[in-house]
Order: sequence, then C-alpha cells, then structure tokens
Amino acid sequence: QKEVEQDPGPLSVPEGAIVSLNCTYSNSAFQYFMWYRQYSRKGPELLMYTYSSGNKEDGRFTAQVDKSSKYISLFIRDSQPSDSATYLCAMRRNSGGYQKVTFGTGTKLQVIP
Amino acid sequence: NAGVMQNPRHLVRRRGQEARLRCSPMKGHSHVYWYRQLPEEGLKFMVYLQKENIIDESGMPKERFSAEFPKEGPSILRIQQVVRGDSAAYFCASSAELAGGRYEQFFGPGTRLTVL
Repeated sequence: QKEVEQDPGPLSVPEGAIVSLNCTYSNSAFQYFMWYRQYSRKGPELLMYTYSSGNKEDGRFTAQVDKSSKYISLFIRDSQPSDSATYLCAMRRNSGGYQKVTFGTGTKLQVIP
Repeated sequence: NAGVMQNPRHLVRRRGQEARLRCSPMKGHSHVYWYRQLPEEGLKFMVYLQKENIIDESGMPKERFSAEFPKEGPSILRIQQVVRGDSAAYFCASSAELAGGRYEQFFGPGTRLTVL
C-alpha cells in the first residue's frame, strides 16, 4: 500500500464549476499537508499549506484536512481554464532528523471554457 | 531573485552513456532534493543533500546513480550507463534552513532525460 493515494484523473469540468481533489494517507506520522500545482512541462509550485485539521482558505482555494480519517482535500471555486494543471498533494513527516516530503501521484485537471 | 536553476532542460543520451544533471539552488538555500517523475507516477524522492553531505539517499537506485553538492558550484545528479528506463523528468528542489514552522521546497523547471 502506498503511503499517499491520489486519483490520477483526468478530471474534466466546465468553467465555473467547483472542483474537489482528494488524497488519503496511511501514515499517521504525517504532520504537514500541502498542495502543489504543476503546469505542463514546468516544476511544481506550492499552492496551499496546512498543519491542523480543519479548513484553510486562500482566494478561490480551500484546503481541508481530516487527520482522524487520514484524508485531505483541495476545493477550487469558480474554476478557470487557467486552473488546468496537475495537482499534487504532499505530506511531511520527521524522518531521521529532517522533514521528509512524500507526494501523491497527482490529479490532472482540465477546465473547459 | 533567481529561482532554482536546472540545466540542461532537455538531455538526450544513447544507452550506455553518462548523464549529468545540474541544479543551482535558490540564493541562500543550502538544502537540495532530487526527484524523478514518470507519467502517472508522481514525484519520487531520490536524494537529499546539504553542502558536501548526503543526508538521505534512500530513494536512489543502488547502482549507476550518484549525487553530490560540493562546497562550490551546483548540485550534480549523475547517471552512469543509462538505460531506456532512466528516461524521465528529473526535478531539483531547494529549501532554506529548516525551522519548526513553515517550510517550503522550491522546485526548478526540471531536466527531461530521453535515452535512445
């Protein structure tokens, strides 16, 4: 079993839709949770960062963490064609004295104008 | 302020040749991480280095792969005697000194290696 599971998609939605992206994890040692966005042929860039269970909002993006269920989500409101990208969840835990990051496989999102 | 730089952006090698991938971290960053990305597989951790030290190489194949981050100059990921299965995008990330709070790895644009 992978430490982090993420549906690879692809996910195709019409412009303006609410998008829900999800990851589950098996290792309760993960303490910090992140979402990265990766455009085609580019490096990942950090979108959202959360620590505790609950919601964190930033503009059209909301990150949700449920540590009891080992489940995290990213919601995108009023989706735009420019949101078309691959979204990777990532999680951090202590490993040998440093913070090691494990990534999900990524979900490819396409927003249709 | 320049971000993480990687070169070359594209690299083509024939089977059996050596591939050298370079990564210059962001200014002020002394921690470098290398990842490999294959389609449908996400980012796989390979190695974590600090200046002149390998901290964690648990994701690095035991043979043919090596990495260094010298006191001066970029970090180098070296793949000897490349095989077709080495074809992938290789990303480098860097971070500043670790703190208990917010922590972010900044990624470079990647090097796309194609082995013929």
